[in-house]
Amino acid sequence: EAQVTQNPRYLITVTGKKLTVTCSQNMNHEYMSWYRQDPGLGLRQIYYSMNVEVTDKGDVPEGYKVSRKEKRNFPLILESPSPNQTSLYFCASSLRREGEKLFFGSGTQLSVL
Amino acid sequence: SQQGEEDPQALSIQEGENATMNCSYKTSINNLQWYRQNSGRGLVHLILIRSNEREKHSGRLRVTLDTSKKSSSLLITASRAADTASYFCATAPPISGYSTLTFGKGTMLLVSP
Repeated sequence: EAQVTQNPRYLITVTGKKLTVTCSQNMNHEYMSWYRQDPGLGLRQIYYSMNVEVTDKGDVPEGYKVSRKEKRNFPLILESPSPNQTSLYFCASSLRREGEKLFFGSGTQLSVL
Repeated sequence: SQQGEEDPQALSIQEGENATMNCSYKTSINNLQWYRQNSGRGLVHLILIRSNEREKHSGRLRVTLDTSKKSSSLLITASRAADTASYFCATAPPISGYSTLTFGKGTMLLVSP
């Protein structure tokens, strides 16, 4: 089944403790992206990747890192999480480039205490 | 940066009625897409309409696009309780190099049995 898989689904952590949210897609998509969703603010893009080893900042990249060493994986790294990064995070992918329809993961609800 | 803005923010109807949601945007687009999100889950792509198209249908969905007014509407006919969800429009700017899909804040639709 074609899908974008995110893990974990829920994560509670404390300020400053490094964490990684994994994202994997099995559709051979070139484009992958991370969004965060907050009440009243909608979806905002954090980082995106056009292909392996090609990443770029979205609208809200501060406090986040990404890497794209393999085509299928696009992990989101929070090196020193803070409470303002408490949010619902989504990974998404599309076949070639941005502007095509996106396939979303099920989301990761992160709480930073 | 937020491009699309949905209207209304929330809509409550009875099963069998039609639901209409609107999206306005500010700059030129390559295409406009509509997505559905069930409570806290990942977004699901519904339909994509290109800038040279005026209307598109998919099952009970009808999307219109008026580029002169920079607006789009999503009509769900004969709504069902299962249509209860948040609906987002997303715009893709004209293709010139890399581009990013920008989401609005969504319309919450409640369909009561």
